[in-house]
Amino acid sequence: EAQVTQNPRYLITVTGKKLTVTCSQNMNHEYMSWYRQDPGLGLRQIYYSMNVEVTDKGDVPEGYKVSRKEKRNFPLILESPSPNQTSLYFCASSLRGVSYEQYFGPGTRLTVT
Amino acid sequence: KNEVEQSPQNLTAQEGEFITINCSYSVGISALHWLQQHPGGGIVSLFMLSSGKKKHGRLIATINIQEKHSSLHITASHPRDSAVYICAVRSNYGGSQGNLIFGKGTKLSVKP
Repeated sequence: EAQVTQNPRYLITVTGKKLTVTCSQNMNHEYMSWYRQDPGLGLRQIYYSMNVEVTDKGDVPEGYKVSRKEKRNFPLILESPSPNQTSLYFCASSLRGVSYEQYFGPGTRLTVT
Repeated sequence: KNEVEQSPQNLTAQEGEFITINCSYSVGISALHWLQQHPGGGIVSLFMLSSGKKKHGRLIATINIQEKHSSLHITASHPRDSAVYICAVRSNYGGSQGNLIFGKGTKLSVKP
């Protein structure tokens, strides 16, 4: 089944403890992206990757890192999480960029205390 | 001012009604997406438009590039259509080929 998977789905952590949220797709898509969703603010783009080893900042990249070493995986790294990074995070992929249909993962609800 | 504005923010309809959700944007775009977010949180893509009109079942999406406006129509609405509908655009400006800008969504509730 064609899908985007994210792990974990739920995470509660403490300020400053490094964490990684994984994202994987099995559709051989070139484009992958991370978003956060907050009440009243909607979805905002964190980072995106047009292909392996190519990443770029979205609208809210501060406090996040990404890497794209393989085509199928695009992990989101929070080196030192803070409470303002408490949010619902979505990974998405598409064949070749944002002019193609977007496929979203199920979301990861992160709480930083 | 947000670059992508949706209206209305909230919409309540009776089952069977014809529904229209609007999206206006202030930048030149090369693509516009309509997304549906279910009450459980999952997001699915409904349409990707660069011009004209698309139809899928009871859903119709239109875009007017000159007027910088898109509409999502739902015919014969059903309670299972209850969801948040989100508009997102790819801007023509700048060198960013992977940047999507989102509206804040329209929450639709269809009553039986």
